[in-house]
Amino acid sequence: AQSVTQPDIHITVSEGASLELRCNYSYGATPYLFWYVQSPGQGLQLLLKYFSGDTLVQGIKGFEAEFKRSQSSFNLRKPSVHWSDAAEYFCAVGAPPGNTGKLIFGQGTTLQVKP
Amino acid sequence: GAGVSQSPRYKVAKRGQDVALRCDPISGHVSLFWYQQALGQGPEFLTYFQNEAQLDKSGLPSDRFFAERPEGSVSTLKIQRTQQEDSAVYLCASSPLTGGDPLYGYTFGSGTRLTVV
Repeated sequence: AQSVTQPDIHITVSEGASLELRCNYSYGATPYLFWYVQSPGQGLQLLLKYFSGDTLVQGIKGFEAEFKRSQSSFNLRKPSVHWSDAAEYFCAVGAPPGNTGKLIFGQGTTLQVKP
Repeated sequence: GAGVSQSPRYKVAKRGQDVALRCDPISGHVSLFWYQQALGQGPEFLTYFQNEAQLDKSGLPSDRFFAERPEGSVSTLKIQRTQQEDSAVYLCASSPLTGGDPLYGYTFGSGTRLTVV
């Protein structure tokens, strides 16, 4: 069965420090992988996505993620965190086209940024 | 409109009441999804529409949950005889492509927070 695990429920980093949020997935084939961000009271905003090709993908707001098939991981990174990055981050896996397109989300990681 | 609009933003229901949650997707978007997000959890898939056809309702937790999209645009999620475990944020998302192709990603609404007391 498809599943997504985000091992870190809560992470605190200092402003300006680097960030890595972990995501591991379980899927029978090459999945479509996503990172979404959710600010309080807001909907989910897509940060980046991976389908194929270059395993390092760039997203909005200076985020990037690396797909590692051997580790079934898709970790999110940012070189220097800004206070406005404080939010909840969700990793998700989706099936290829032709399916219903539903996404399976991880539990989320709450990012707190210290001044 | 420019985004996915959901109403109401907040809904408090007494246990046993019926509720209806509305989703206005982006104009022209073919695919529409409903997700349920319990407190402290990631969103969980409820159902998927392609135009007016409900192609996947495998995530609906019980027969108290019913969704419709009669004209292929606005969708309503109805919950009958609400129970406390139905308390959650209900998110709607839409996509311009069929088959749920996530190539362009989905646009999510801000959700409806349902509290059952």
